[in-house]
Amino acid sequence: TQLLEQSPQFLSIQEGENLTVYCNSSSVFSSLQWYRQEPGEGPVLLVTVVTGGEVKKLKRLTFQFGDARKDSSLHITAAQPGDTGLYLCAGADTNAGKSTFGDGTTLTVKP
Amino acid sequence: DVKVTQSSRYLVKRTGEKVFLECVQDMDHENMFWYRQDPGLGLRLIYFSYDVKMKEKGDIPEGYSVSREKKERFSLILESASTNQTSMYLCASSLGGTSGTNEQFFGPGTRLTVL
Repeated sequence: TQLLEQSPQFLSIQEGENLTVYCNSSSVFSSLQWYRQEPGEGPVLLVTVVTGGEVKKLKRLTFQFGDARKDSSLHITAAQPGDTGLYLCAGADTNAGKSTFGDGTTLTVKP
Repeated sequence: DVKVTQSSRYLVKRTGEKVFLECVQDMDHENMFWYRQDPGLGLRLIYFSYDVKMKEKGDIPEGYSVSREKKERFSLILESASTNQTSMYLCASSLGGTSGTNEQFFGPGTRLTVL
């Protein structure tokens, strides 16, 4: 069974601060997705990383896939209250058609 | 944009009732998934389907069954609801095949309470 560990589990910061969320596994994934989920809603896809070492930017969010495709990080610069939510990483096993989800990081950005 | 809809946002049922949760996607995706989400336990896969009438058990299939008679529709059935099935249920779909990235598109969720 593939496992994905996310850290930290909870993060509470002030508006304007920077933060990094980590997603680690001992397994290799064919790709990795990051999702954000707001309370009472389903997760929404933010980004997919495919190549080892790949870096993708989405406005103030920077996503990196580890060289060995076993881990990933999400860095947010100058966090805003609108960034508040549950961030989930998911490692894809394309051959099996399924993904393994991390337990998530709950981010609260205080104004 | 992919749209995944779920039949109910909130549902209250009694112990022993049969419960149907419906999910429909409009992008001709091959794969569909049912998860439950509980605090501290993350998303857990109940069942997934990679084609019409095809299904595969996920990590926690006990107490659930599924039906996929049409490509766009995937139903989750609780044969006899129990209080420990109180949860948020999320449906998702993905393109499928072996060349994709398995990006999943989620519905808004159904919060089921079993009394």
